[in-house]
Amino acid sequence: QKEVEQNSGPLSVPEGAIASLNCTYSDRGSQSFFWYRQYSGKSPELIMFIYSNGDKEDGRFTAQLNKASQYVSLLIRDSQPSDSATYLCAVKNNAGGTSYGKLTFGQGTILTVHP
Amino acid sequence: DTEVTQTPKHLVMGMTNKKSLKCEQHMGHRAMYWYKQKAKKPPELMFVYSYEKLSINESVPSRFSPECPNSSLLNLHLHALQPEDSALYLCASSQTSGSLNEQFFGPGTRLTVL
Repeated sequence: QKEVEQNSGPLSVPEGAIASLNCTYSDRGSQSFFWYRQYSGKSPELIMFIYSNGDKEDGRFTAQLNKASQYVSLLIRDSQPSDSATYLCAVKNNAGGTSYGKLTFGQGTILTVHP
Repeated sequence: DTEVTQTPKHLVMGMTNKKSLKCEQHMGHRAMYWYKQKAKKPPELMFVYSYEKLSINESVPSRFSPECPNSSLLNLHLHALQPEDSALYLCASSQTSGSLNEQFFGPGTRLTVL
């Protein structure tokens, strides 16, 4: 069983629509959750993080966390063609009692926003 | 300064060569990481350094040898690599205190082994 699973893509949405990206995780001890955006040929860029149940908004991005359901999502409002990228969900588990922990990534969801 | 830098951007090497990848950060982070990323796959953790000491080795073959000379620098020494080691090698850094410790990635080194 994969530790972090993301909704299979690719996901295609029209410009201006809401893109919804989902992620589930298996380790109930997971503490922090991150969304990275990765453009083709580039490195991952951190766009959102969340560690408390509920919603967290930053501009057009909203991260949602439900620890009871072991579910985290990313909503992108008013999607733009420049949002077209691979979105990686990452879950942090403390490794060996360290606070910096180990990130486990999902397989990524490719998002395409078409004009 | 919120940047992690990596050199070189691209590297082509033969299976008998020895080369090194370099990573540098000036954010005061005391944890540094090496990841390997193959095409269309997520990053895979290789090594973690904390306070210049190796704290995690994800069973990486010995042909990869990490080194952390000081709190700002991280090297990855490469020797006798195989063509299947061709990938994007990513360095990241994070704080070690607090509960979040988000990791920031450098631009990566694209490695091709011939």
